[in-house]
Amino acid sequence: QVQLQESGPGLVKPSETLSLTCTVSGGSINSYYWSWIRQPPGKGLEWIGYIYNSDTNYNPSLKSRVTISVDTSKNQFSLKLSSVTAADTAVYYCARDYSSVAGRAIGYWGQGTLVTVSS
Amino acid sequence: SYELTQPPSVSVSPGQTASITCSGDKLGNKYVSWYQQKPGQSPVLVIYQDTKRPSGIPERFSGSNSGNTATLTISGTQAMDEADYYCQAWDSSTAVFGGGTKLTVL
Repeated sequence: QVQLQESGPGLVKPSETLSLTCTVSGGSINSYYWSWIRQPPGKGLEWIGYIYNSDTNYNPSLKSRVTISVDTSKNQFSLKLSSVTAADTAVYYCARDYSSVAGRAIGYWGQGTLVTVSS
Repeated sequence: SYELTQPPSVSVSPGQTASITCSGDKLGNKYVSWYQQKPGQSPVLVIYQDTKRPSGIPERFSGSNSGNTATLTISGTQAMDEADYYCQAWDSSTAVFGGGTKLTVL
């Protein structure tokens, strides 16, 4: 069973870069769509972007500030979000599609990590 | 940008059928997934490719998608089904989520 675990600072200062890592266990990070999704407190889900075999795709509203990368040697993938503001305060989830034939449905989720942007 | 619209809330009595809609332009031409999220927990996939249930999801969860509207139906709704539900579709290579529907079982 695939498991995902987010890690990274829980507090980031405004204008700095948010950096999170997702460690994957129980399966290879090769292939599949590896996504980052966030949820501001009390609000809905927002897709940030994915990486698939080193190809990336980002939410147009965040594209200028987002970088997603993968480290296959560590079975990890990462998120960097630059120039953060209070509006970037959210629970950040890493996730993977359910299967290669499931139309990119997001079937595996990490437990989520709260990142607060504040000075 | 593509948008998915859900009702903010739906109420249902235990044992009855709950229907949650998700609307978007020509949504029937896209695959829709549905996610259940309980307070303090990560979302769980309950329906993918419009009508398919992942392993472990009860048969009372079903889905449909046609025209501009996708529907998640929960038959014989139980108290444990009380949660937020989100629809999601891919617009080209961008994932789009609906705003979410709070299902209350009362």
